[in-house]
Amino acid sequence: DIVMTQTPLSSPVTLGQPASISCRSSQSLVHSDGNTYLSWLQQRPGQPLRLLIYKISNRFSGVPDRFSGSGAGTDFTLKISRVEAEDVGVYYCMHATQFPITFGQGTRLEIK
Amino acid sequence: QLQLVESGGGVVQPGGSLRLSCAASGFTFSGDGMHWVRQAPGKGLEWVAFIRFDGTKKYYADSVKGRFTISRDNSNNTLYLQMSSLRTEDTAVYHCARDRVLFDYWGQGTLVTVSS
Repeated sequence: DIVMTQTPLSSPVTLGQPASISCRSSQSLVHSDGNTYLSWLQQRPGQPLRLLIYKISNRFSGVPDRFSGSGAGTDFTLKISRVEAEDVGVYYCMHATQFPITFGQGTRLEIK
Repeated sequence: QLQLVESGGGVVQPGGSLRLSCAASGFTFSGDGMHWVRQAPGKGLEWVAFIRFDGTKKYYADSVKGRFTISRDNSNNTLYLQMSSLRTEDTAVYHCARDRVLFDYWGQGTLVTVSS
């Protein structure tokens, strides 16, 4: 199974400042079809899980452009250019390159 | 408006069975693969099972293989998870999620508690 490791596990951030979360996979996430199926999800209290980014860097419909994804192979990053109060929650990276699909441990974003 | 609404959770004794449902609306359910993902209390996400849009292929996590069965009824826009031989470690909120853009929409989840 592919192991997804996120850092940090907790990230206190000042409103208006940037935030960054790293995700490393135990093996390459490049699929045989050439795509890299790495996504980022957001979990806010009382809300359904929300897809933010898919295939490394594609913002899903309705996701603000302050969210961006980057990376390749085994190393990936989610960046928030200016954190807003509504961004508080837990962020997960995940891969869907092969079964079983696996998730990172989650990174809790909180406001300082 | 796209909606996924899970139901069927509850308290069950170890060794018992339960069937979860996920009612889909607002999209062409028969055109999309679907997943079940669970989250134990205070823990992270664990993928459970996937079913192709037409039900012809199914995949399971090792932790549930042989005990859980994913299925769907495209005529009623409903996804199911039949759970048997339940263990205390199966206690979690179970979410269904659509696969069109890799988990693009999720339900709120239904809580399953396995306890004597």
